[in-house]
Amino acid sequence: EVQLVESGGGLVQPGGSLRLSCAASGFTFSSYSMNWVRQAPGKGLEWVSYISSSSSTIYYADSVKGRFTISRDNAKNSLYLQMNSLRAEDTAVYYCATLAGHYGMDVWGQGTTVTVSS
Amino acid sequence: QSALTQPASVSGSPGQSITISCTGTSSDVGGYNYVSWYQQHPGKAPKLMIYDVSNRPSGVSNRFSGSKSGNTASLTISGLQAEDEADYYCSSYTSSSLYVVFGGGTKLTVL
Repeated sequence: EVQLVESGGGLVQPGGSLRLSCAASGFTFSSYSMNWVRQAPGKGLEWVSYISSSSSTIYYADSVKGRFTISRDNAKNSLYLQMNSLRAEDTAVYYCATLAGHYGMDVWGQGTTVTVSS
Repeated sequence: QSALTQPASVSGSPGQSITISCTGTSSDVGGYNYVSWYQQHPGKAPKLMIYDVSNRPSGVSNRFSGSKSGNTASLTISGLQAEDEADYYCSSYTSSSLYVVFGGGTKLTVL
């Protein structure tokens, strides 16, 4: 079964850090670029970051640039998001996703919740 | 980094057809045939319904169709069913500093 499973969410104080993980299974993870997409409570989807299959190309949304770092370990079939200097507005459900419908492989995880609050 | 523009809500009765618009610019919707549509039920992850403007993934009902004209893409759902009630999001590749931009979302109510 093709699957993405996020972990690492939780409650963190403003200015704190958190590292999200996304474990992939059921498909050739190393062949696909990956993304993080977030959704604030009651709000729409917001693309956060992209990493190519070989990690050679990385993009970030302006809202997280300089604070978040995306990475992957193809040997472990895992995607990561290191989040530093967290703000209240980073509170959201964070999804990892392939966004690869063009290749017949659009897969989303179930999401992990990050809450930034004192 | 502006989101694509969608109507906040649309509604229709069972059996009717509805269309949701998604307006962008020549840097995203108008410039590329990489528009996707997602359906999201409460508490669930988004599900891809249309990719590359008008293509349906395997398993998606042919009641869902997509199109594009200029800077505006559209999702049409025909023969509305109760289970179609959900939030719908468009997305597009963009040549701006982003990689992907999403629309603000449209809540579909089946009356």
